Amino acid sequence: NAGVTQTPKFRVLKTGQSMTLLCAQDMNHEYMYWYRQDPGMGLRLIHYSVGEGTTAKGEVPDGYNVSRLKKQNFLLGLESAAPSQTSVYFCASRQTAGGPEQFFGPGTRLTVL
Amino acid sequence: AQSVAQPEDQVNVAEGNPLTVKCTYSVSGNPYLFWYVQYPNRGLQFLLKYITGDNLVKGSYGFEAEFNKSQTSFHLKKPSALVSDSALYFCASYNFNKFYFGSGTKLNVKP
Repeated sequence: NAGVTQTPKFRVLKTGQSMTLLCAQDMNHEYMYWYRQDPGMGLRLIHYSVGEGTTAKGEVPDGYNVSRLKKQNFLLGLESAAPSQTSVYFCASRQTAGGPEQFFGPGTRLTVL
Repeated sequence: AQSVAQPEDQVNVAEGNPLTVKCTYSVSGNPYLFWYVQYPNRGLQFLLKYITGDNLVKGSYGFEAEFNKSQTSFHLKKPSALVSDSALYFCASYNFNKFYFGSGTKLNVKP
């Protein structure tokens, strides 16, 4: 099992460019999450999904969109990147029963110039 | 409102000494509490959780945490620190499908 994987690992964008971050999990988890991590602020929830075809807003959703067309994938999109979106982005998943601890991907470091 | 606070940005301890990383919580209802560890350039790894039951919870790598309802605290502890324990530690709470993370505490264990 690969667990939770994220693509790409690093990316540099110019202001106004768009991009999509891909999160994939092979654990058959129902729930998936996107977080951003900034120094001194911990992890903040951007969007999450409780199952295929569902999405919901988290704490800091503005400027981001998400899609969960397949159970194993959760995509995070930036339509028009801004320097304030420079951050490290983490995806996580968890099962419905038991837990509810999360399993995290390795992260994507995004820089917006 | 749900929130978790980690009052210390950094904790320094000598190898072999006991360590404590502090966490306080503010949640409605029964708290679900977690500790995660993050090594440099890696994702977070689950250490332990409190859902219900014994106030002393044992987790991975010899860590344990003590749930104290009256003080609304969930401090992470280890009897004897290792240099390899140096990392960033996050406390988190869970409620209605969402997790709320503290700001993190950097643990430095010196030889």
